[in-house]
Amino acid sequence: AQKVTQAQTEISVVEKEDVTLDCVYETRDTTYYLFWYKQPPSGELVFLIRRNSFDEQNEISGRYSWNFQKSTSSFNFTITASQVVDSAVYFCALSEGQGGSEKLVFGKGTKLTVNP
Amino acid sequence: DAGITQSPRYKITETGRQVTLMCHQTWSHSYMFWYRQDLGHGLRLIYYSAAADITDKGEVPDGYVVSRSKTENFPLTLESATRSQTSVYFCASSVSRAYNEQFFGPGTRLTVL
Repeated sequence: AQKVTQAQTEISVVEKEDVTLDCVYETRDTTYYLFWYKQPPSGELVFLIRRNSFDEQNEISGRYSWNFQKSTSSFNFTITASQVVDSAVYFCALSEGQGGSEKLVFGKGTKLTVNP
Repeated sequence: DAGITQSPRYKITETGRQVTLMCHQTWSHSYMFWYRQDLGHGLRLIYYSAAADITDKGEVPDGYVVSRSKTENFPLTLESATRSQTSVYFCASSVSRAYNEQFFGPGTRLTVL
């Protein structure tokens, strides 16, 4: 069963708009880790953030922010004042178990296009 | 340069041929992974390795073979390539278990005719 769902396949915005990428996960473990990766048109995957299940504090890094809500099993990613360079495919991923797991399960990704 | 490299970057082969994709990392990371990326499927884990001489299957291992005789290398072999194995293959490494971020190579685009 799919454990990470990114319902938005593609999103298109105009530069300077705010955009939120949704991620819903499913796990039976109380300890788990959530990740976001970015895949720009060049193809390489770039790590953005890791969050463990015991830390529900939202995080902000420049124009990026993440909202983790255990009650709704969601780990959403918001880009404020989007820029053309934010155009990429974004993946949410889950690692289960205390100490993590060898297996990182990815969602299918959301392709974000930021138009000038 | 330090990091994780993959070779070749592009490969075209024919059905039934054996193909080996190379992955090399310079960080001495314990864990290494092979994924394939296909449209509509995201990234799926093929095989992973916790250390030299320790490998295990991921989600889609059929048709693939791996080995890890040295910590820094993790080759992926398609013993008899099929068209369904046309994909982009990514190698990744991490310091330890997957709660640490994985660092990805640039990918190998494989086409099986």
